[in-house]
Amino acid sequence: DVKVTQSSRYLVKRTGEKVFLECVQDMDHENMFWYRQDPGLGLRLIYFSYDVKMKEKGDIPEGYSVSREKKERFSLILESASTNQTSMYLCASSEGGFGRELFSLGYTFGSGTRLTVV
Amino acid sequence: KQEVTQIPAALSVPEGENLVLNCSFTDSAIYNLQWFRQDPGKGLTSLLLIQSSQREQTSGRLNASLDKSSGRSTLYIAASQPGDSATYLCAALPSGTYKYIFGTGTRLKVLA
Repeated sequence: DVKVTQSSRYLVKRTGEKVFLECVQDMDHENMFWYRQDPGLGLRLIYFSYDVKMKEKGDIPEGYSVSREKKERFSLILESASTNQTSMYLCASSEGGFGRELFSLGYTFGSGTRLTVV
Repeated sequence: KQEVTQIPAALSVPEGENLVLNCSFTDSAIYNLQWFRQDPGKGLTSLLLIQSSQREQTSGRLNASLDKSSGRSTLYIAASQPGDSATYLCAALPSGTYKYIFGTGTRLKVLA
């Protein structure tokens, strides 16, 4: 069974800490995504990556950075955690790359990381 | 800019009822539309994906339809069960992008 695995289900961190959220997929997918989900705001895209070492900003990248050194792993970094970054963080992956047909793409999501910054 | 809307935000039905969840999108230029289920505090589970060239997809008691010209998709759930209680999200993939646009979901409660 194909999977997207997020290393932590729950995290509690202190304001100002550097926080790493890890996501690993075993489907050989090119694309990987980080979203945050907040009540009333839905899913908002933070960053995505379409290839190793490649990244693009999503809709709300401020306060975050990402790293993709290997195809299967996409890390979200909170440089200095703040209370307004308390949220559910969701990682997803999908097939595809430049030149490929996109019509059959779909997302596979991880189980989420509930981050609380105190 | 593509926008995706789901109405109603919440829905309660008695067990056994057939029901329809609605999803609207503003731009018909999409590659596909995907329906997800999310249980409280969990990630999203893909239910059905409809490609732009398709009109519907079926999986068990679920049937999703797509009408690009009217900007609508529906998720039909037959003979609902309490285990179907969850939030259902739809997401459209605009042409020329890898990034889905999500609706805010319909929270479904099926009463035993």
